[in-house]
Amino acid sequence: RKEVEQDPGPFNVPEGATVAFNCTYSNSASQSFFWYRQDCRKEPKLLMSVYSSGNEDGRFTAQLNRASQYISLLIRDSKLSDSATYLCVARGGFQKLVFGTGTRLLVSP
Amino acid sequence: EAGVAQSPRYKIIEKRQSVAFWCNPISGHATLYWYQQILGQGPKLLIQFQNNGVVDDSQLPKDRFSAERLKGVDSTLKIQPAKLEDSAVYLCASSLQGGNSPLHFGNGTRLTVT
Repeated sequence: RKEVEQDPGPFNVPEGATVAFNCTYSNSASQSFFWYRQDCRKEPKLLMSVYSSGNEDGRFTAQLNRASQYISLLIRDSKLSDSATYLCVARGGFQKLVFGTGTRLLVSP
Repeated sequence: EAGVAQSPRYKIIEKRQSVAFWCNPISGHATLYWYQQILGQGPKLLIQFQNNGVVDDSQLPKDRFSAERLKGVDSTLKIQPAKLEDSAVYLCASSLQGGNSPLHFGNGTRLTVT
């Protein structure tokens, strides 16, 4: 089993839609989590950290469920510019950051 | 603040040749990472430095890959000899003292081995 698993997608949604991605992690000792965004042929960029209490940044909401070992990302009112690959990241032992394979999102007009 | 600097941006070599990549992290970032990202996959950690010491190199193919961070600042990653399957983007990232600090990535070096 992979340490961090994501549905690769693609998720095809129209502008204005709400879309949610889940990501599961296998290491119950993982302490911190992040969502990164990666545009085609670009480096990953931090979208948001994921806190135990959940957090929201504009149209983006991240949640952590430790009991079921998954994190989620909700995007409301999707924009064309949200089209990208979203990488889930978990920090495990020895501060090692493990990335998922990413979920590809395509927002269409 | 200046971001993570990497060079070169692109490199094309033949198999069995050697290649080196350079990375300069964000000033003050103690932790430096080298990731390999193959097309269609997420980044895979090759090696992690804390200052000039290695924290994790469990996924580094040590028979052909080597990395150093001699003065605890910039770092080089070398492949010798290269194989076709080494074709990937090599991403350098840095963060503050670990913990909950997120990573900041450089632009990456796209390596093609022919």
